[in-house]
Order: sequence, then structure tokens, then C-alpha cells
Amino acid sequence: QSALTQPASVSGSPGQSITISCTGTSSDVGHYNYVSWYQQHPGKAPKLLIYDVTNRPSGVSNRFSGSKSGTTASLTISGLQAEDEADYYCSSYSSSTTQRYVFGTGTKVIVL
Amino acid sequence: QVRLVQSGPEVKNPGASVKVSCKASGSTFTDYYVHWVRQAPGQGLEWMGWINAHGDGTHSVQKFQGRVTMTRDTSINTAYMELSRLRSDDTAIYYCVTMKTATSYFDPWGQGTLVSVSS
Repeated sequence: QSALTQPASVSGSPGQSITISCTGTSSDVGHYNYVSWYQQHPGKAPKLLIYDVTNRPSGVSNRFSGSKSGTTASLTISGLQAEDEADYYCSSYSSSTTQRYVFGTGTKVIVL
Repeated sequence: QVRLVQSGPEVKNPGASVKVSCKASGSTFTDYYVHWVRQAPGQGLEWMGWINAHGDGTHSVQKFQGRVTMTRDTSINTAYMELSRLRSDDTAIYYCVTMKTATSYFDPWGQGTLVSVSS
């Protein structure tokens, strides 16, 4: 089971919107609506941003939104802020019996 | 919501074993599966496996099978992950993270435990 594919980095200026893609297969992203997204600042544990493709936990800014089309999920950050500079990971449940959960390769968001 | 506190950093020799603990507070521990995720220096997240809510079932990634043992003591709200036959490429931060039964997202996460393997 390979990791889900994400771009290594995405950059944007404050106030802009950016989108991070997460490409899987028909065994994970394409088969289940169990995609979640996590934000990780340096030296910190990851934090849940989005679950079940589109849902935001309470306390997470509505500037973060999720979507999915086929085998690719996406995280959009609107109104980019300096504090959004961090690493972002997607995750999906998988039908693989040898690895039930898989993470993405991670994306570094750079605020210019 | 549950809060997770992990044990402190460990330094081990190659071939040794390490046992990381993860103590929960603030919610009903038996409502949650406990997963283990590791992150090598400068690398991404790697899912290792889970132990179910009552501690009578586990599942781990094939690459760790035979080396990883996940247990939990529900009487003291603590989960454990033991990794044996350590190698230098096991050097990583190990996170415990909960997943509420019938959900498929990781929340919340422990603070992480750095395990360094070096001779």
C-alpha cells in the first residue's frame, strides 16, 4: 500500500486561496468518504482539520474546506494567513487488509 | 474529549526494544480505538496500526508484524506500543492517537515520544 500522493509544496500570498491535492486509488480515496486532513506546525503533533471529506470539527476555521472527485481529494485554504504556514497531510481508510489507513506524502504550505 | 499524554524520550541500542505509553484522561477511554503513527526526522506520517476499544484485537501494517506489540490497560486508561529488534531507521517520533468507534479520523493526538536508536 503506497502513500497517497500530495504536492511537496504549495505557496500563496496572504489573503489568497490555495488548494492541496491528495491522490489515491480506487481502494482508498476513490472508494470511501473517509478522507481526513491534518495540519502540523514544526515540533507539534498533527491537528485534525477536516474529516469525512468535507466536515470541519468545532473550533476549526471555516477558511479550511475539503472536497473529493474520483480518486483525488482536495483541501482548500481561503484567505491565507501567516499562521497557515505548516505541513498538511491527508489520510484515507483503505480496503487493503494489510494496511487499513494510509497517509499522504505531506505538503508544505508557504505563505509568501 | 479525551486527552493523551505520552511517556518521555527514549534512547536505545540497535536490537533492543522500546515500550511507549499513552495515558488518556477526560473521556471514556473504551469508546476509542488507539492508533500508533510514527514520523521519522524530516519525513511524513506513517500509520503503524491500532488496538481496539477493549484491547482484545489489534491490526498492524505488515512491515511491523512480528516486531510491534500494542496493548492497553483499560483499568488505568493507558495504551502501550512496544517495538522490538530496533534498527537505526526506527528513529522517529511515535504518536498515539485516538479514533472514536465507528469513525475514521484521528483525533486527538498525543504529544509524541522521540525514540532514538543509535549505537
